[in-house]
Amino acid sequence: EIVLTQSPATLSLSPGERAILSCRASQSVSTYLAWYQQKPGQAPRLLIYDASNRATGIPARFSGSGSGTDFTLTISSLEPEDFAVYYCQQRYNWPPITFGQGTSLEIK
Amino acid sequence: EVQLVESGGGLVQPGGSLRLSCAASGFTFSTYGMSWVRQAPGKGLEWVSSISGTGVVTYYADSVKGRFTISRDNSKNTLYLQMNSLRAEDTAVYYCAKVRITVAGDLDYWGQGTLVTVSS
Repeated sequence: EIVLTQSPATLSLSPGERAILSCRASQSVSTYLAWYQQKPGQAPRLLIYDASNRATGIPARFSGSGSGTDFTLTISSLEPEDFAVYYCQQRYNWPPITFGQGTSLEIK
Repeated sequence: EVQLVESGGGLVQPGGSLRLSCAASGFTFSTYGMSWVRQAPGKGLEWVSSISGTGVVTYYADSVKGRFTISRDNSKNTLYLQMNSLRAEDTAVYYCAKVRITVAGDLDYWGQGTLVTVSS
């Protein structure tokens, strides 16, 4: 089973700042990595698939990069609605599909 | 517009059974794989099971294998999760989700979730 480790666990930033979230895989997942955003009481929303492709309707301030074992989700300039929990997920080697433990992006 | 609406959650005693349903609309249901993902209170996301568009191929997490059964009725555009021998650790919000490509890949649309509570 591929383990995904996200860092940091919590990130405290202010609106307008740049956010950089990390996801590291226990073995290579090529570029088969996705990112999701989840707000309290809501279902997750797909942001990025295949490491760097924005999903439908996702603003351009969200970008993904990386390959192999190291991946990054960058939010170029934080909007108030971006404060949420973010999860990475791999589909390279399954079952099982695995998720990271999440990074909580909170307002400073 | 893609819509996924789960139902069937509730309170059940340990060892009991429950069947979740997910009604889909806004896309050609039989063309896409579907998955169930759960989230225990205050915890992260855990993949539970996936099924191919035809329903022939299924996959399960080890934690539910032998107890849960995923199925679909393409004539009714509905996904199911039959949950037997429920345990306290199965308590979670259960989400159904549409797979973007392949049988069990990225999940591009999610339902609002249904809460399953296993407790005596």
